[in-house]
Amino acid sequence: AQSVAQPEDQVNVAEGNPLTVKCTYSVSGNPYLFWYVQYPNRGLQFLLKYITGDNLVKGSYGFEAEFNKSQTSFHLKKPSALVSDSALYFCAVRRPFSGGYNKLIFGAGTRLAVHP
Amino acid sequence: EAQVTQNPRYLITVTGKKLTVTCSQNMNHEYMSWYRQDPGLGLRQIYYSMNVEVTDKGDVPEGYKVSRKEKRNFPLILESPSPNQTSLYFCASSQTGGTGSRYGYTFGSGTRLTVV
Repeated sequence: AQSVAQPEDQVNVAEGNPLTVKCTYSVSGNPYLFWYVQYPNRGLQFLLKYITGDNLVKGSYGFEAEFNKSQTSFHLKKPSALVSDSALYFCAVRRPFSGGYNKLIFGAGTRLAVHP
Repeated sequence: EAQVTQNPRYLITVTGKKLTVTCSQNMNHEYMSWYRQDPGLGLRQIYYSMNVEVTDKGDVPEGYKVSRKEKRNFPLILESPSPNQTSLYFCASSQTGGTGSRYGYTFGSGTRLTVV
C-alpha cells in the first residue's frame, strides 16, 4: 500500500539558515511526488513536484526538493529560510498510470517555524 | 482565475442537523475529491469522483455522502452530523489519470466545521 511519512512534527530554524523538511514514501513502481504548503486559515498550495528526470526539482518561493530513489525520500529544502516560510508542509505521493485513479496520499504534515 | 470554491468557510451546527458543504471548480477537471484534515493525521480522503455520476469511497467515508450531477460541482453531505466529524474539510480537483496524474490537486480554502 502507498504511504508517506514525515518523521518530524515540527522543524525549527533560524532565519537565514538552510532548512530541510523530511519525507519518505512507500509505493510500488515509480512515484509522482508533491509538496504542498498550508498557511494559517488557507487551503493547501502547490510548491513543487517530481515526475521524472532530474532528481533535484525547483519550486515556488525558492524551495527545492531532492528525489532519492534508493532511500525512497523526497526532502524539501531551502538554502536560506525566511520568517514568512513558517507554515505547515505536506508531502504527498501518487501512483502513476493507475487506471485514472488520482488519489494523493498525504503525510501527516510538518510544521516549520522560522525564528528571527 | 482558476479556482476551487468551497462554502461556507466556517460552520457551527448541532448533532443530527443535516448540512451540505458546497464545492465548485471552474477548470473543467474530471476528478474531484473531499479530504478532512485533523491534527497529527494529515489529510484523509473521504470520497472522490472520477467524473459526472461516478463517485467512490475514500479512506474515511462513514457518515458522509456526495453527489456529482454536474462536472463543476461536488457537494459533501452530512446527513446526521456527530461531534467526531468536527474537522477542517478541503475539496480538491485535478485532471484525471494517465498523463493527467502528473498534475497535483487544486484545493479550496477549506471549511472549518464544528459539531456540538
